[in-house]
Amino acid sequence: EVQLVESGGGLVKPGGSLRLSCAASGFTFTIYGMNWVRQAPGKGLEWVSSISSSSSYIYYADSVKGRFTISRDNAKNSLYLQMNSLRAEDTAVYYCVSTMIANLDCWGQGTLVTVSS
Amino acid sequence: EIVLTQSPDFQSVTPKEKVTITCRASQSIGSSLHWYQQKPDQSPKLLIKYASQSFSGVPSRFSGSGSGTDFTLTINPLEAEDAATYYCHQSSSLPWTFGQGTKVEIK
Repeated sequence: EVQLVESGGGLVKPGGSLRLSCAASGFTFTIYGMNWVRQAPGKGLEWVSSISSSSSYIYYADSVKGRFTISRDNAKNSLYLQMNSLRAEDTAVYYCVSTMIANLDCWGQGTLVTVSS
Repeated sequence: EIVLTQSPDFQSVTPKEKVTITCRASQSIGSSLHWYQQKPDQSPKLLIKYASQSFSGVPSRFSGSGSGTDFTLTINPLEAEDAATYYCHQSSSLPWTFGQGTKVEIK
């Protein structure tokens, strides 16, 4: 069974940093692309960033470019999102999502990031 | 950026009725359109991939159709457990985008 478990969310002040992690299991993590998608409270879904299986291709939404960094450690079956210069509008549940047989096919349970003073 | 517009925003439906949700893209995206279901306090779940292909384990009452700019998700017949918000998503070009969501309420 595919499992994606996010961690690292919490309360952070504007301008602060946070690193999200996603532990993957139940599939061959090393051969699939991975993504982060977020959802602000009571709002819709927003794609944040994607990384290819070997980290050769990395993409970001304009709203986070230059502030967020996606990475992965295939030896540890883990995905990461380093978030710097956080703003109030970054407050959201962040989902770790796989791309295996379809784009954004399996989703973790999410981790809440709250940016507030 | 490709904008996806769903209609309606909200629908209140009686069980066993047929539900139709549409998603219109601001430019042609071929069949690179996917549908998700999100129940309250849960993460989204993929229902339909590439416009009309059912994802593994999804009940047969969910179906999708369309190509180019106009797409449809159909739930027939609606069951009480289908109360949720439904989103369309395009993977044709970056940035990947989502529709604003359609909330389906059970009468």
